Amino acid sequence: DAKTTQPTSMDCAEGRAANLPCNHSTISGNEYVYWYRQIHSQGPQYIIHGLKNNETNEMASLIITEDRKSSTLILPHATLRDTAVYYCIRILRMNNNAGNMLTFGGGTRLMVKP
Amino acid sequence: NAGVTQTPKFRVLKTGQSMTLLCAQDMNHEYMYWYRQDPGMGLRLIHYSVGEGTTAKGEVPDGYNVSRLKKQNFLLGLESAAPSQTSVYFCASSRTSGANYNEQFFGPGTRLTVL
Repeated sequence: DAKTTQPTSMDCAEGRAANLPCNHSTISGNEYVYWYRQIHSQGPQYIIHGLKNNETNEMASLIITEDRKSSTLILPHATLRDTAVYYCIRILRMNNNAGNMLTFGGGTRLMVKP
Repeated sequence: NAGVTQTPKFRVLKTGQSMTLLCAQDMNHEYMYWYRQDPGMGLRLIHYSVGEGTTAKGEVPDGYNVSRLKKQNFLLGLESAAPSQTSVYFCASSRTSGANYNEQFFGPGTRLTVL
């Protein structure tokens, strides 16, 4: 099973940290976890990715549990512009390693409220 | 640097008509992808290309054809449009395909309605 499990929706107060969980209990050792988001009517946007270690960039932090069965995306100070659908994705290798397919599930609809 | 652009932005077709969606990227990326997104759902991969002159099938390729004659362009064709192809189509590109670097850059999408 190459899918991930995310809550359907979440709310967050503006200025507070938004913590978005993702379950990927069957992830294999060489699969990365990627996070993308899609603001309404726009194309998805890359946020961050990781394998084992926690990662941080200018947009967010990614916390991966030691057993790699779950992860949490953290937006440290959510703004109204962070309202979007957030997708947690496991990278699946295509045949012949010719490319990697992003398999999008339903994602989490994050609503940041004033 | 325009990134990934798509034309047209909107289109309405009648069943049986044909059309081509154009995707262009100016980042010199090797890999390009076409996805479709139905209402309330995630994106699904239609076709992809790992370089100029090469194409391959994705998750939902039936009813579509693609061509990559130039590195910067990736065309998606519908030979005989069906109502089931009503969707938003997104093009994306990436520099590499390695799992450790798979940042895909997406275009703004094309909204297609087939009546």
